[in-house]
Amino acid sequence: DGGITQSPKYLFRKEGQNVTLSCEQNLNHDAMYWYRQDPGQGLRLIYYSQIVNDFQKGDIAEGYSVSREKKESFPLTVTSAQKNPTAFYLCASSSKTGTTDTQYFGPGTRLTVL
Amino acid sequence: GNSVTQMEGPVTLSEEAFLTINCTYTATGYPSLFWYVQYPGEGLQLLLKATKADDKGSNKGFEATYRKETTSFHLEKGSVQVSDSAVYFCALSRSNDYKLSFGAGTTVTVRA
Repeated sequence: DGGITQSPKYLFRKEGQNVTLSCEQNLNHDAMYWYRQDPGQGLRLIYYSQIVNDFQKGDIAEGYSVSREKKESFPLTVTSAQKNPTAFYLCASSSKTGTTDTQYFGPGTRLTVL
Repeated sequence: GNSVTQMEGPVTLSEEAFLTINCTYTATGYPSLFWYVQYPGEGLQLLLKATKADDKGSNKGFEATYRKETTSFHLEKGSVQVSDSAVYFCALSRSNDYKLSFGAGTTVTVRA
């Protein structure tokens, strides 16, 4: 089955630690995205990548880092510089071949800072 | 810049009631418009979309029409079920920009 997988589903971190969230897709999509969701709010874009070895900051990139070494993978690192990292993190991907730019989402990772 | 404004929730309905969630947008050019649904503890699923003015997106009994004159994309369903309880997000993207702009989401609870 084609789709997007994220791991782990739940993640607990102590203050001052970096953590990496995994996102893998087998949809052969060029573009991948990371969003953050907080209670009662819409999704906010952290980083996005339109092609391998290239990525751009979104609206709230401070305290986060990404890499795109493979088309299928777009891991997100939440660094200790992120002041309020507890949130639900969603990864998405889309094909660049159409103009509709439909994004397909993974199941999410819930990060809690203890 | 692009922005999406959704009707605030939460919305509580009885089964078989009519559901409307208002969505208006601000954007330059001709954006594509989407409705996504999020069930508890899950990621977002695409519910429907429309890519040009007067297009109607539909899926699972839900409908929304792209109204350029009123910059709106209201979601409707004629008869809701308990299984429709979820958070609904309106979103837009421009054809030359791969980013989505989301509304804040509307929580819908359907009671038996």
